[in-house]
Amino acid sequence: SQQGEEDPQALSIQEGENATMNCSYKTSINNLQWYRQNSGRGLVHLILIRSNEREKHSGRLRVTLDTSKKSSSLLITASRAADTASYFCATDASRPSYDKVIFGPGTSLSVIP
Amino acid sequence: DAGVTQSPTHLIKTRGQHVTLRCSPISGHKSVSWYQQVLGQGPQFIFQYYEKEERGRGNFPDRFSARQFPNYSSELNVNALLLGDSALYLCASSPRRSFGANVLTFGAGSRLTVL
Repeated sequence: SQQGEEDPQALSIQEGENATMNCSYKTSINNLQWYRQNSGRGLVHLILIRSNEREKHSGRLRVTLDTSKKSSSLLITASRAADTASYFCATDASRPSYDKVIFGPGTSLSVIP
Repeated sequence: DAGVTQSPTHLIKTRGQHVTLRCSPISGHKSVSWYQQVLGQGPQFIFQYYEKEERGRGNFPDRFSARQFPNYSSELNVNALLLGDSALYLCASSPRRSFGANVLTFGAGSRLTVL
């Protein structure tokens, strides 16, 4: 089974609004990452947050991590039509292998101009 | 610098056939991971290789195999293809096998259709 689960599965907003996507996972992690995918192409890394961090910012992106609840959220502020894509959270597997990066099912974001 | 390159980009096979997908990582990246992505779903982990050794394996049947070459490029092989193997196969490379920071750079994928 997958480590992460995103919520909602699909999200539609108007340009300029904020978009929030949530991710829950099941086992302890070292890091959590968010990736973006446009129209079935390769994924692009957005941001990484370590297990000892609670919040991280990168441009219009804000990621939070709550290890006690095993959850993370990705906030995209002032959304643009170009933000339309699928967004995936990804966690590294629990010990002994740190190398497996496991993806959730994703949130499909549509930003309407 | 070239990114992660995958070949072929598209291919069509029939049930029972065999397929080989190829991946060249970013120069300097020693780790390669393979994922299968069915339409509408998240990428499913298949294999991870580092320094030519298998470091991780997902929940896929033995029909799936892979290897990494001395130049760190990699091949994914799938035997006895089934209709359910139709998917986008993604390759990703990362600089090192390290505790704490396995950030992946993905190729554009190989889209396999099994008829």
